Amino acid sequence: KAGVTQTPRYLIKTRGQQVTLSCSPISGHRSVSWYQQTPGQGLQFLFEYFSETQRNKGNFPGRFSGRQFSNSRSEMNVSTLELGDSALYLCASTLTAGANVLTFGAGSRLTVL
Amino acid sequence: AQTVTQSQPEMSVQEAETVTLSCTYDTSESNYYLFWYKQPPSRQMILVIRQEAYKQQNATENRFSVNFQKAAKSFSLKISDSQLGDTAMYFCAFGKGSGGGADGLTFGKGTHLIIQP
Repeated sequence: KAGVTQTPRYLIKTRGQQVTLSCSPISGHRSVSWYQQTPGQGLQFLFEYFSETQRNKGNFPGRFSGRQFSNSRSEMNVSTLELGDSALYLCASTLTAGANVLTFGAGSRLTVL
Repeated sequence: AQTVTQSQPEMSVQEAETVTLSCTYDTSESNYYLFWYKQPPSRQMILVIRQEAYKQQNATENRFSVNFQKAAKSFSLKISDSQLGDTAMYFCAFGKGSGGGADGLTFGKGTHLIIQP
């Protein structure tokens, strides 16, 4: 079966712009979580969605937001981009809310100029 | 809050050798899981092995095994008969017990493992 699909794979934005990233989970998986990966901070948890509801959020400013649709697909949005938002954004899906065995997508590489 | 520490930023071994990657963690949780993830240059994070904290037996997956020392809060990964395809970043991660995964996994900084031909 298809894995976790993230689009776009690469994108370049300029400071002040906003960006939307998409994640389609494995069929049947209802929970989607997002992580930011940077060389300096490593992998950090952004948020988790289940049944179209955000269950928890990591320590990120309000510029980072997300949502989940009825088909479990999720999007994350970053507004007013800063240089420090340049990162690999990873999406992971799992069967149920709060479950630990995550299946990751290949990520979306965001570069902010 | 949980912390995960990987003290080896980079390791290099010859093909077919055995290599051990170190990981220590700190938590006040009693119910939790520990993971090793592999991230090759393709960037896709792949689960290598998982250990439930309540299980005393060390997890094993083919050439990969862990040495889980709960009292010492240590969780090392041993790769036997290493192969060129094992070259990747390896991340140790902590996850709270059932239902606690909504807080997300806590990852270490990673160890870059290079397998030399």
